[in-house]
Amino acid sequence: QKEVEQDPGPLSVPEGAIVSLNCTYSNSAFQYFMWYRQYSRKGPELLMYTYSSGNKEDGRFTAQVDKSSKYISLFIRDSQPSDSATYLCAMINTGGFKTIFGAGTRLFVKA
Amino acid sequence: SQTIHQWPATLVQPVGSPLSLECTVEGTSNPNLYWYRQAAGRGLQLLFYSVGIGQISSEVPQNLSASRPQDRQFILSSKKLLLSDSGFYLCAWSPEEGQPQHFGDGTRLSIL
Repeated sequence: QKEVEQDPGPLSVPEGAIVSLNCTYSNSAFQYFMWYRQYSRKGPELLMYTYSSGNKEDGRFTAQVDKSSKYISLFIRDSQPSDSATYLCAMINTGGFKTIFGAGTRLFVKA
Repeated sequence: SQTIHQWPATLVQPVGSPLSLECTVEGTSNPNLYWYRQAAGRGLQLLFYSVGIGQISSEVPQNLSASRPQDRQFILSSKKLLLSDSGFYLCAWSPEEGQPQHFGDGTRLSIL
């Protein structure tokens, strides 16, 4: 079993839709959770960074962590064509050095 | 603010040729530095990481090597490229352990 599982998609939605992107993980020691956005032919860009359980909001983006279910989500409200990208979840365990990345979900927002 | 630079953006090399990819970070000191390879649909594979000058840890034994000659400079090298070395190479930095990494824009390497 992979440490982090992420549906590769592609996920296609109309402009203005609410998008839900998800990852599950198996290592209960993960304490730091990140979401990255990667446009084609570019490096991943850090979008959200949360510690432990709970929600964090930044503009149209909300990151949610449910440690009891080992499940994290990224919600995008009022999605725009410019949100079309690959979204990668990532996690770090307490005292760990390595970051474990999901394989990424490709999102297409149609105008 | 901190910035990370990677070059070249695109590189086409023949099999058996040497390789040198460079990455530099500005606006911070003593960063942790990382090299990743990203294959289509397969996520990020950590190749090397460094916590200080001259300190390199290898994650995957292969045809590549890394060096850190200066605090904010990280170099990925190969003496003889293989076809299987093709891919998208990303450099990243973080201020310390347990902190999120920040990526450069990558080098797309094609081996012919």
